[in-house]
Amino acid sequence: ELKVEQNPLFLSMQEGKNYTIYCNYSTTSDRLYWYRQDPGKSLESLFVLLSNGAVKQEGRLMASLDTKARLSTLHITAAVHDLSATYFCAVDATSGSRLTFGEGTQLTVNP
Amino acid sequence: EAGVTQFPSHSVIEKGQTVTLRCDPISGHDNLYWYRRVMGKEIKFLLHFVKESKQDESGMPNNRFLAERTGGTYSTLKVQPAELEDSGVYFCASSQDLVRTIYFGEGSWLTVV
Repeated sequence: ELKVEQNPLFLSMQEGKNYTIYCNYSTTSDRLYWYRQDPGKSLESLFVLLSNGAVKQEGRLMASLDTKARLSTLHITAAVHDLSATYFCAVDATSGSRLTFGEGTQLTVNP
Repeated sequence: EAGVTQFPSHSVIEKGQTVTLRCDPISGHDNLYWYRRVMGKEIKFLLHFVKESKQDESGMPNNRFLAERTGGTYSTLKVQPAELEDSGVYFCASSQDLVRTIYFGEGSWLTVV
């Protein structure tokens, strides 16, 4: 059974600081998603990583995928309060049929 | 373009009653998924439709849950009879094909009392 683990689960950081969220998974997969969720809202797609070594950046967020290590990272650069949300990684090991989610990382950026 | 829409957004029902959740995917998306997150747990897959066919329903917890997608457009998820442990958020998602972004709705919050 595919397991997806995120860490940390809770992250409180100061504005302007950098940090990385890690996503480890247990089964071979070459498709990984990062989502953001604000309270009571839908899961907003941030990144889709489709191959080993993939790196994508959008604003202050950068995601990477290492399929050999079964690891993805979401790096936050110079955090701002608007980034406060819950971030999920999700792995697709079934070629599009289903996603297996991590528990989510609740990020709070303090002024 | 409208996103994935779900109805109702919140529902409170008594144990033993029936609830039907509806999902309208993004127009043109053949793939439709149901997921749920029960309190304190991770988001878990329930099933996947391709058009009107159930591609994978291995995540459905038991036979009290019935999902349909007549005509390959909107989908319904019925819980009958509802139990306390069914409380949680039910997410619907859709995608155009199997390699593209999967878009989620805002979820239907179900509370069984």
